[in-house]
Amino acid sequence: KNEVEQSPQNLTAQEGEFITINCSYSVGISALHWLQQHPGGGIVSLFMLSSGKKKHGRLIATINIQEKHSSLHITASHPRDSAVYICALPPPNTGNQFYFGTGTSLTVIP
Amino acid sequence: GAGVSQSPRYKVAKRGQDVALRCDPISGHVSLFWYQQALGQGPEFLTYFQNEAQLDKSGLPSDRFFAERPEGSVSTLKIQRTQQEDSAVYLCASSRDRATEQYFGPGTRLTVT
Repeated sequence: KNEVEQSPQNLTAQEGEFITINCSYSVGISALHWLQQHPGGGIVSLFMLSSGKKKHGRLIATINIQEKHSSLHITASHPRDSAVYICALPPPNTGNQFYFGTGTSLTVIP
Repeated sequence: GAGVSQSPRYKVAKRGQDVALRCDPISGHVSLFWYQQALGQGPEFLTYFQNEAQLDKSGLPSDRFFAERPEGSVSTLKIQRTQQEDSAVYLCASSRDRATEQYFGPGTRLTVT
């Protein structure tokens, strides 16, 4: 199942760096989710967006529905940002299920 | 209000045992989803409920897997005759309806020995 492609798969950054994670998808959708999962932890929804850009603290998410592409940016990265970031396509365009990307594992080094 | 809760958080089962995993969704959420997440992988859809109706069970990997939500709130995922390949984190999520934001529980980590 490759409806959602994320890059990079793994990312290591120094504290303070600007980080970009990319998501491309092949299914027509009306919205897209960015999720965060800490090691051993549950999944937290960061953004649900359908157009343009959303900002929450140091996190920024953008989406281009026509180009089927979304990006998640982290400004002034911090070690506590270390987690897996997952791009996901929600129902109903995907049927009843989410289509999840394989995730990007981010490690921010102090 | 409380978020989605799951119990137990950790379960170790011997191969061949039956297990039951519980999900308490956010009160009032109509939609409930179960996912399976193997180590190092993204979540994989198992099944979807709208209220008490199981509308989609296309992701259940075998007939050993069974899910129910008899009163449209709490849901139970049952795995019969567990196998080692069933070892994974089982995630539950709920939402107001199918198209709105899903809230995930902390998951149940199942280890089959």
